[in-house]
Amino acid sequence: AQTVTQSQPEMSVQEAETVTLSCTYDTSESDYYLFWYKQPPSRQMILVIRQEAYKQQNATENRFSVNFQKAAKSFSLKISDSQLGDAAMYFCAYRSATRAAGNKLTFGGGTRVLVKP
Amino acid sequence: GAGVSQSPSNKVTEKGKDVELRCDPISGHTALYWYRQSLGQGLEFLIYFQGNSAPDKSGLPSDRFSAERTGGSVSTLTIQRTQQEDSAVYLCASSLGLAGVQEQFFGPGTRLTVL
Repeated sequence: AQTVTQSQPEMSVQEAETVTLSCTYDTSESDYYLFWYKQPPSRQMILVIRQEAYKQQNATENRFSVNFQKAAKSFSLKISDSQLGDAAMYFCAYRSATRAAGNKLTFGGGTRVLVKP
Repeated sequence: GAGVSQSPSNKVTEKGKDVELRCDPISGHTALYWYRQSLGQGLEFLIYFQGNSAPDKSGLPSDRFSAERTGGSVSTLTIQRTQQEDSAVYLCASSLGLAGVQEQFFGPGTRLTVL
């Protein structure tokens, strides 16, 4: 079974600064997808960024970028120019690309991001 | 367009009672997922539907939990004889299909409190 680990329960960042969230995962599969979701106090999970394992190029979405290291099974999220609205819980998630494995997301424990004005 | 909606937003029940949680997916989304978010267990998968069938029920914690989906749209998660450990936020998500890196769109969840 796959596992996802987020080693930082909480991270604090000054507004306009950069913060990096760590995520490692364990899998024996070679084809899979990785995601970062944001969960604000409203509880609604919002997709921040996604990465396909077969792509070597790191995904970017505006101020959000990832550092995907497939051999190390690492998938960190960098938030640049942090804004007050970035304050939330962030979850790293894994999904197998194998149809037989189903389509479920396996989540890490989450990292709470605090943004200081 | 409208996103995934869930009802009720909050539910307080007494131990031993049955509860039903409802999920309305985004129109046209064929896949629907249920997850549970609790302090002790984090975010965990419960079940998913493709159309009206449930190929993967592996996450349902006990036979007190069941789910159905009718008309390829609305889904209901039923918990019978609720226990205090069932207290959690129940999240529903939907996606266009299963292939590729499909995004799962989440609803706001139902917070269940079992007294």
